[in-house]
Amino acid sequence: IAGITQAPTSQILAAGRRMTLRCTQDMRHNAMYWYRQDLGLGLRLIHYSNTAGTTGKGEVPDGYSVSRANTDDFPLTLASAVPSQTSVYFCASSDSPASTDTQYFGPGTRLTVL
Amino acid sequence: AQSVAQPEDQVNVAEGNPLTVKCTYSVSGNPYLFWYVQYPNRGLQFLLKYITGDNLVKGSYGFEAEFNKSQTSFHLKKPSALVSDSALYFCALGRGSTLGRLYFGRGTQLTVWP
Repeated sequence: IAGITQAPTSQILAAGRRMTLRCTQDMRHNAMYWYRQDLGLGLRLIHYSNTAGTTGKGEVPDGYSVSRANTDDFPLTLASAVPSQTSVYFCASSDSPASTDTQYFGPGTRLTVL
Repeated sequence: AQSVAQPEDQVNVAEGNPLTVKCTYSVSGNPYLFWYVQYPNRGLQFLLKYITGDNLVKGSYGFEAEFNKSQTSFHLKKPSALVSDSALYFCALGRGSTLGRLYFGRGTQLTVWP
């Protein structure tokens, strides 16, 4: 069982370019999340999806969009990348959206925007 | 408002000695508390969680944490540290009214020296 896979592992991107980070889980979890990790700030929630077909905004959603067409996939799109979006991005999933459910994390995507 | 604080950016301990990584929280209502560990260039791994019941929670790799409601703390402990425990540790807070959303502390870098 792979759990959560993310692609690419790392990427260097020119400012203004569009980029989609991919996330796939094979655990049939209903809820999925995107976080960004920045030094000294911990992890901050960008967007979430409680179930396929629904999405919601987290703490830092500006400049990002998501979709949840099916249970397994939850791509994160940067429409026009800016240097402040340089970060490590983690996708996570949980069996249900309940706050008591454990979230499981993917290996991350390191994104550098120049 | 809800928040999590990890007051120490860095904790250093000798192998074989007990270790404590501190976490305090602020929330209205019942807290759901989690500890995660992150090894270099890896995603977050779940260690343990407190939802309700016994204040002492046991988790993976010999770690445990004690929920203290009066002190609003959830410190992570291990009786005997290993060099392989060296990693970045995150405390996270969930709240019943915010489905699935976790609030993370900034992280504490644990270094266990031989």
